[in-house]
Amino acid sequence: DAGITQSPRHKVTETGTPVTLRCHQTENHRYMYWYRQDPGHGLRLIHYSYGVKDTDKGEVSDGYSVSRSKTEDFLLTLESATSSQTSVYFCAIRGLGNTGELFFGEGSRLTVL
Amino acid sequence: QQQVKQSPQSLIVQKGGISIINCAYENTAFDYFPWYQQFPGKGPALLIAIRPDVSEKKEGRFTISFNKSAKQFSLHIMDSQPGDSATYFCAASMGDNNDMRFGAGTRLTVKP
Repeated sequence: DAGITQSPRHKVTETGTPVTLRCHQTENHRYMYWYRQDPGHGLRLIHYSYGVKDTDKGEVSDGYSVSRSKTEDFLLTLESATSSQTSVYFCAIRGLGNTGELFFGEGSRLTVL
Repeated sequence: QQQVKQSPQSLIVQKGGISIINCAYENTAFDYFPWYQQFPGKGPALLIAIRPDVSEKKEGRFTISFNKSAKQFSLHIMDSQPGDSATYFCAASMGDNNDMRFGAGTRLTVKP
């Protein structure tokens, strides 16, 4: 258990509404990531953070923004949700040392109607 | 385009058999190749990983074979067990691992 908590775990929302997903970690890791998982695509990186207020885009960042005001929290925001953003979202942290291992949370399932 | 291509999409193996999942990559700058295992309702978890300076790595019943010239790597699960039934993802990254690219996943079912 890498001390990662995602909330909410399930959410149903309507097209055009804003949505924020939260990732909370308890182990003071520097690097945090948001991925989305879709059938046939595996996991794709949305955004990542390498420190407080330091973030960068990933492979599929359009339509998403992130914020990291505290080491332990990494927020993913969909400003105006669309049906194409229906997915399972995973937060991850990078382990210490040089192994590069990612530790994932249990996911947040988002349905946009 | 997908930088890491994984096959097969699904695999059914009898208990005690060998499960083999294959991946191919395009970017020769990749230098870290992990395999993740995911059970339903859970996040992926690292199973085993390899760097390109070795051609094989074994951990218990799990082995990664790596072919740098062919840009391919594979996961072999020996003596497959029903508890191995899960979705497996290969991945590849370079440098600081901040942009790990995943394959599409293989759903493995091991029949008792």
